[in-house]
Amino acid sequence: AQTVTQSQPEMSVQEAETVTLSCTYDTSESNYYLFWYKQPPSRQMILVIRQEAYKQQNATENRFSVNFQKAAKSFSLKISDSQLGDTAMYFCAFMRSGSQGNLIFGKGTKLSVKP
Amino acid sequence: DAGVIQSPRHEVTEMGQEVTLRCKPISGHDYLFWYRQTMMRGLELLIYFNNNVPIDDSGMPEDRFSAKMPNASFSTLKIQPSEPRDSAVYFCASSFGRIPNYGYTFGSGTRLTVV
Repeated sequence: AQTVTQSQPEMSVQEAETVTLSCTYDTSESNYYLFWYKQPPSRQMILVIRQEAYKQQNATENRFSVNFQKAAKSFSLKISDSQLGDTAMYFCAFMRSGSQGNLIFGKGTKLSVKP
Repeated sequence: DAGVIQSPRHEVTEMGQEVTLRCKPISGHDYLFWYRQTMMRGLELLIYFNNNVPIDDSGMPEDRFSAKMPNASFSTLKIQPSEPRDSAVYFCASSFGRIPNYGYTFGSGTRLTVV
């Protein structure tokens, strides 16, 4: 079975600085997808970024980028120029590429951006 | 599009009562997922549907839980009888395809409190 581990329950960063959230996963699959979701206090789950395992190039979305290390089964999220609106829970998630399965989430990291 | 719509946003009920949570997916989406979020267990998949047919209900905790999708625009999750340990936030999500390019679209969740 696949598992997703986020080892940092809470983190904080000063506004405008850079922060990296860690995620590791365990799978025997070779093809899969990885995601980072953001959950602000409003509870809405918002997709931040997605990475296909077969792509070597790290995904980027504006201030958000990932460091995908397939051999190490690591998928960290870097937030540059942190903004107060980035304050939220961040969840790493895994999905197999086969015909079955669904999103498997980590326990989350609570990020606080301080002014 | 108004997104995935869940109702009610909050529900407080007494132990033993029946609870029905509702979800309207995004029009055109063919997959619908029900997740439960608790502090202890994080986000867990309960059940998902494809074209209104339940595909995997292995996450449904026990027979007290049931889910239906009578048509493409509506799904319910019912708990009967409810217990205090069912207290959680229940999310509905939908997607076009099982591995959509932009992840699942989540509703804002229903916070259920069973007293």
